[in-house]
Amino acid sequence: DAKTTQPPSMDCAEGRAANLPCNHSTISGNEYVYWYRQIHSQGPQYIIHGLKNNETNEMASLIITEDRKSSTLILPHATLRDTAVYYCIVRVGRNAGNMLTFGGGTRLMVKP
Amino acid sequence: ETGVTQTPRHLVMGMTNKKSLKCEQHLGHNAMYWYKQSAKKPLELMFVYSLEERVENNSVPSRFSPECPNSSHLFLHLHTLQPEDSALYLCASSQEPGETQYFGPGTRLLVL
Repeated sequence: DAKTTQPPSMDCAEGRAANLPCNHSTISGNEYVYWYRQIHSQGPQYIIHGLKNNETNEMASLIITEDRKSSTLILPHATLRDTAVYYCIVRVGRNAGNMLTFGGGTRLMVKP
Repeated sequence: ETGVTQTPRHLVMGMTNKKSLKCEQHLGHNAMYWYKQSAKKPLELMFVYSLEERVENNSVPSRFSPECPNSSHLFLHLHTLQPEDSALYLCASSQEPGETQYFGPGTRLLVL
């Protein structure tokens, strides 16, 4: 799987958009970009994933650059409950030999 | 609620004890996973099962013994653990191996 690089921590004001960047410059054509988050002492939670088109669901939006070497997860109106560690992972979508490899992630702190 | 439950949520055991962690998924998935998360370290994949057969074992010590009696249940049998095995143990499931994973809340284990 391609390696990802994320800032170790970010702050965001409550109610504002949180934009979490991820670099994956060695991504290959068949690798998806996945985002998970982990709230303190809980299991990771799936957020969203995409291949090359931008994606949106009820939780977030995923913007992938045209060259696919980076992406941004957007939480449009961050709340205090969005404080968590956010993991960006790139991997082949459906392959038993390619499991999730979690890096250090970005610790997002949403402040009042 | 992700549809994946784990029991117990907390466990304290001595190094000579034998205990088991239980995971159950109510999502009709075919793949289940065990992960270990130590303090300040990324998630580490331990075992992967697909339709009750182990498909991946990431060089886990034999004092950890998984069991998958059916596609809805996964156990992790523990014996003669060491204090450094203290961690959060997370179970996850996915429709097929390598697809989007849904995590349980984890079992926080303390080995004395």
